[in-house]
Amino acid sequence: DAGVIQSPRHEVTEMGQEVTLRCKPISGHNSLFWYRQTMMRGLELLIYFNNNVPIDDSGMPEDRFSAKMPNASFSTLKIQPSEPRDSAVYFCASRRRGTYEQYFGPGTRLTVT
Amino acid sequence: AQSVAQPEDQVNVAEGNPLTVKCTYSVSGNPYLFWYVQYPNRGLQFLLKYITGDNLVKGSYGFEAEFNKSQTSFHLKKPSALVSDSALYFCAVREHILTGGGNKLTFGTGTQLKVEL
Repeated sequence: DAGVIQSPRHEVTEMGQEVTLRCKPISGHNSLFWYRQTMMRGLELLIYFNNNVPIDDSGMPEDRFSAKMPNASFSTLKIQPSEPRDSAVYFCASRRRGTYEQYFGPGTRLTVT
Repeated sequence: AQSVAQPEDQVNVAEGNPLTVKCTYSVSGNPYLFWYVQYPNRGLQFLLKYITGDNLVKGSYGFEAEFNKSQTSFHLKKPSALVSDSALYFCAVREHILTGGGNKLTFGTGTQLKVEL
């Protein structure tokens, strides 16, 4: 069984550039979560989709961040324009209907210089 | 809001000794509690959960957790630690989302476990 797939695994970009992170949830899972992890702030939930619909985006830091889930197999997290303080590891997780545990991808390490 | 607290940033234990990683919770209603482990440069991995039933929950890699309602705790335990258990451990609680429905997990700050020879 393939787990949650994230791409790219590493991204280095310059301040002001657009960054797009991608996620493929586990097949059959209907909920998808985007998290950000830093040493200073720990693990933060950015946004949560249920059946491709955004349910809770209260964790999205500001308008520079946007997320979409056009279908059950794909989601993107976009940062435009990127800033050095966006440097972090971004995780995607998915969950099957009727359960509570989430399954995490390997993460994307973003460095904004 | 639901929350969990992990009072120790780091726990050190010798290989072969029992280990405990502490977690306390604050919830309204019945708690749904979880433990995750994160190895370096990896995503979080689900270890075990408590929803209902026996207070002692068994999970992956020989870990178990004890739910204690009177002490509002859900401590992670292992009878004999291995060097390979060294990792970052997160406690989490289910939180129902009032607007829009569904539920999410609220994670603790994490406890770094270091198992030494």
